[in-house]
Amino acid sequence: DTEVTQTPKHLVMGMTNKKSLKCEQHMGHRAMYWYKQKAKKPPELMFVYSYEKLSINESVPSRFSPECPNSSLLNLHLHALQPEDSALYLCASSQGRGLSTETQYFGPGTRLLVL
Amino acid sequence: QQQVKQSPQSLIVQKGGISIINCAYENTAFDYFPWYQQFPGKGPALLIAIRPDVSEKKEGRFTISFNKSAKQFSLHIMDSQPGDSATYFCAPQSGGSYIPTFGRGTSLIVHP
Repeated sequence: DTEVTQTPKHLVMGMTNKKSLKCEQHMGHRAMYWYKQKAKKPPELMFVYSYEKLSINESVPSRFSPECPNSSLLNLHLHALQPEDSALYLCASSQGRGLSTETQYFGPGTRLLVL
Repeated sequence: QQQVKQSPQSLIVQKGGISIINCAYENTAFDYFPWYQQFPGKGPALLIAIRPDVSEKKEGRFTISFNKSAKQFSLHIMDSQPGDSATYFCAPQSGGSYIPTFGRGTSLIVHP
């Protein structure tokens, strides 16, 4: 099974709402990632978890809060977002062995619209 | 500083033609050179990748050419098909950092 699943597929939220994005993989990968992708742009790294510990935070605003409950799950909690946060949010995973040849496996993404 | 320069930004080819996308990099620590393919509404997926110890790798209609001295690598799609219409990203990685550095992407449209 080489699949990364993400829920929900689409999400519309107001600026005062609190919502969560969920990601799951069952490949035994120990590195998991959140990316943000705007239209016609490359994925932009937000967070990296390695062995369930946050290893990279790319200066993301605190209105985005990641969580890694276990080695298979990754959440992204959203609060007080701005309209400019509307984007496709991608989850990815990789083996996490630190090898340059590691392949990232991406989920289909959650399309987020902030009103 | 833009570490990875990908060109062209968009490409339109006829069915059966050859699509060529180029990627130039500055970081000499990169030692793995993948190309990702992304269809609308989907996440990127690894298409083909090359290590710097070879100059070319072919998988079906897809070929990577690598020029270490010029710090460039390219993706060639032979006999392009409408189903190849997608966005392609070069995304080199370096040892010790298994996180890809994405190029800006190339939107490929293959007309029937």
